[in-house]
Amino acid sequence: GAGVSQSPRYKVTKRGQDVALRCDPISGHVSLYWYRQALGQGPEFLTYFNYEAQQDKSGLPNDRFSAERPEGSISTLTIQRTEQRDSAMYRCASSPLGGTHQETQYFGPGTRLLVL
Amino acid sequence: GEDVEQSLFLSVREGDSSVINCTYTDSSSTYLYWYKQEPGAGLQLLTYIFSNMDMKQDQRLTVLLNKKDKHLSLRIADTQTGDSAIYFCAEGLYGNKLVFGAGTILRVKS
Repeated sequence: GAGVSQSPRYKVTKRGQDVALRCDPISGHVSLYWYRQALGQGPEFLTYFNYEAQQDKSGLPNDRFSAERPEGSISTLTIQRTEQRDSAMYRCASSPLGGTHQETQYFGPGTRLLVL
Repeated sequence: GEDVEQSLFLSVREGDSSVINCTYTDSSSTYLYWYKQEPGAGLQLLTYIFSNMDMKQDQRLTVLLNKKDKHLSLRIADTQTGDSAIYFCAEGLYGNKLVFGAGTILRVKS
């Protein structure tokens, strides 16, 4: 596909369950980013990868959140023992070149997570 | 610290110009971005400006940057109903991390 895709688009889960959110970046893009967007707010950085290496995870709120990108393409964001405060839109983005210089990030449609 | 602030809401008439304002705090930002979010859609990059520029024009869009005051604005000429959306200002930090404002809701009345 031409753009960043995410699945599922919507996820409803019960408190205490684990969830896994998937991101498929634009083919060939080196960098992949995860953001979380609460209702009425802008996206907030969680973590990012260059290829399979996690470069920065300073935005992950606590150790229940983890992310991986084992083959340098698809990434999974996992939230363990979900809590109601985890309810938000989770957005993935990718960019072509990686590195520390700035470049345009292309966003996917997001996964809306609701924890009951 | 990193902080980006925007006004929450703007209402304009179709055909008028819209100006959305943003302030940021990190003077090390090298790029500043404007994204558009429509209901049910992802974030769409509208335009960006490099920090050593003070103006960039792209069709109906004009971005003005006042680096001294850390103020960024987006002007949309001849605003159309299809421009109704949430507009996010973002600053790009070292490591390609983006810091977003809370978004400005633009409502265009026909």
